[in-house]
Amino acid sequence: DAKTTQPTSMDCAEGRAANLPCNHSTISGNEYVYWYRQIHSQGPQYIIHGLKNNETNEMASLIITEDRKSSTLILPHATLRDTAVYYCIVRNRDDKIIFGKGTRLHILP
Amino acid sequence: GAVVSQHPSWVICKSGTSVKIECRSLDFQATTMFWYRQFPKQSLMLMATSNEGSKATYEQGVEKDKFLINHASLTLSTLTVTSAHPEDSSFYICSALVGTQYFGPGTRLLVL
Repeated sequence: DAKTTQPTSMDCAEGRAANLPCNHSTISGNEYVYWYRQIHSQGPQYIIHGLKNNETNEMASLIITEDRKSSTLILPHATLRDTAVYYCIVRNRDDKIIFGKGTRLHILP
Repeated sequence: GAVVSQHPSWVICKSGTSVKIECRSLDFQATTMFWYRQFPKQSLMLMATSNEGSKATYEQGVEKDKFLINHASLTLSTLTVTSAHPEDSSFYICSALVGTQYFGPGTRLLVL
């Protein structure tokens, strides 16, 4: 799997949009970008994934650059419950997930 | 949909005993499940890949005789920590693969 680079931590004010960046410059053509988050003492939660096009679901939006070398996860209206570690992962479907360190997102009241 | 459960959610045991953790996919079938371990303030570390009806594949450095994995059906994988020691105390998390990986809530093991 391609390596990803994420900031160690970020802060975001409650009610604002949280934009979490991820670099994956060595991504190959058949690899997807997945985002998970882990709230303290829980198992990781699937958020969203995409291949080329931008994606949106009830939790978040995923913006993938045209060259696919980076992406941004957007939480449109962050709440305190969105405080978590967010993991950006690049993988082929059906491949195992190897977790990096992720981004620790703090939502500030 | 895509719910994965684990049992127990936490367990305390004495050093030298064995502990079994169950991982179930509740509303789907999964040929492949994974087991991870997480120490405090660290990221998840993949331990092994569990395939229904065949032997598990262990990651480098994980002792297969200590962490026994059985995937007897398409909805159940078990991890048995044999002869547990205090250093095995950790947060154990499973996931089930159906295109996307879905994770269980984790099992916290404390070995005294």
